[in-house]
Amino acid sequence: EVQLVESGGGLVQSGGSLRLSCSASGFAFSNYWMNWVRQAPGKGLEWVAHIKLDGNDKNYVDSVKGRFTISRDDAKNSLFLQMNSLRPEDTAVYYCARDGDGELDYWGQGTLIIVSS
Amino acid sequence: DVVMTQSPLSLPVTLGQPASISCRSSQSLVSGDGNTYLNWFHQRPGQSPRRLIYKVSNRDSGVPDRFSGSGSGTDFTLKITRVEAEDVGLYYCMQGTHWPRTFGQGTKVEIK
Repeated sequence: EVQLVESGGGLVQSGGSLRLSCSASGFAFSNYWMNWVRQAPGKGLEWVAHIKLDGNDKNYVDSVKGRFTISRDDAKNSLFLQMNSLRPEDTAVYYCARDGDGELDYWGQGTLIIVSS
Repeated sequence: DVVMTQSPLSLPVTLGQPASISCRSSQSLVSGDGNTYLNWFHQRPGQSPRRLIYKVSNRDSGVPDRFSGSGSGTDFTLKITRVEAEDVGLYYCMQGTHWPRTFGQGTKVEIK
């Protein structure tokens, strides 16, 4: 069974940093592209970042470029999101999601980030 | 960025009746490889999103056959033949053809 479990969320002050982790199991993690998607409270879904195999190719939504970094550790079946210079508008539930048969076929349960001003 | 526009944004439906959601993109979603990367997701209150449809019309494993996707180019539709109580929640379309990937605003389906 495919499982994605996010961790690392919490309350942080504006300008601070946080590192999210996503632990994957039930599939060959190294063979899949991975993503982070976020959802602000009461709002819709926003794709944030994507990483291809071996971590050599990454894409980001403009609003996080230069502040967030996606990475992966295939030996540990883990995906990460390093978030720096956090802003109140980054407050959201952050989901880890796999790309299979297209995009975002499996999602984690999400982890909540609250950025206080 | 490709803008995805869903309509309606709110859809009250009667149990057992059909429902349809439209999704239009600001650019063609036909990729250079010939595929059209248009997905549909369902999110129940308090839950993570679940993908229902990928590449316009392919149902994910375990998705009831009352759900179907259709369309081409810039115009896409999700149809539910007979709405059941478990179908309530938010529905999102998302394109994966162009970077950045973008979602529609979401359509809230509720029972009348």
